[in-house]
Amino acid sequence: GAVVSQHPSWVICKSGTSVKIECRSLDFQATTMFWYRQFPKQSLMLMATSNEGSKATYEQGVEKDKFLINHASLTLSTLTVTSAHPEDSSFYICSASPTGRITEAFFGQGTRLTVV
Amino acid sequence: AQSVTQPDIHITVSEGASLELRCNYSYGATPYLFWYVQSPGQGLQLLLKYFSGDTLVQGIKGFEAEFKRSQSSFNLRKPSVHWSDAAEYFCAVVTDNNDMRFGAGTRLTVKP
Repeated sequence: GAVVSQHPSWVICKSGTSVKIECRSLDFQATTMFWYRQFPKQSLMLMATSNEGSKATYEQGVEKDKFLINHASLTLSTLTVTSAHPEDSSFYICSASPTGRITEAFFGQGTRLTVV
Repeated sequence: AQSVTQPDIHITVSEGASLELRCNYSYGATPYLFWYVQSPGQGLQLLLKYFSGDTLVQGIKGFEAEFKRSQSSFNLRKPSVHWSDAAEYFCAVVTDNNDMRFGAGTRLTVKP
């Protein structure tokens, strides 16, 4: 099956710093990539949708200047958490779809971000 | 807006017993529906999906789901649960905005 690699799997950073999370589709071209945030024992909340070469579409309430998303190629999307605060600590998951109309989405392993 | 609802937050079943996890959707047309499983600290693995056709869908690991338009449901079933099935299960739908939205999830505990 299709593989999506997310890196790093966990990261600890200091308050005020920025951290970048990468999401790569290893064996297919991802027309669309999604970024989710998951709090402990809760569901996945969609943060933004990104299409290669265009600006990401952010969900209401998600600060686009804080959560920078770049989908520079058909196999790579990045999420940068800028000026991180402890409340940004969470589990971030990316997914990628090989088709324009979503018929399946493949998920990365997730990134555990802890801001201290 | 399209959405899915999972009414059961937590279910406990004995190993070997049957399982049914509920999922209700809100959508006018025929939705694209999915069931995913998540182990702790991991990403999501697709169990099965439904777009059209046969309303009984077979998935991996012995799971199946039945699409019932009259009940707006897409319940996940397994005839005999194994201890390794303990995990979080999510129902999802593709919306008109072409993004995937998830239900709240159901945590499955399997008793020995």
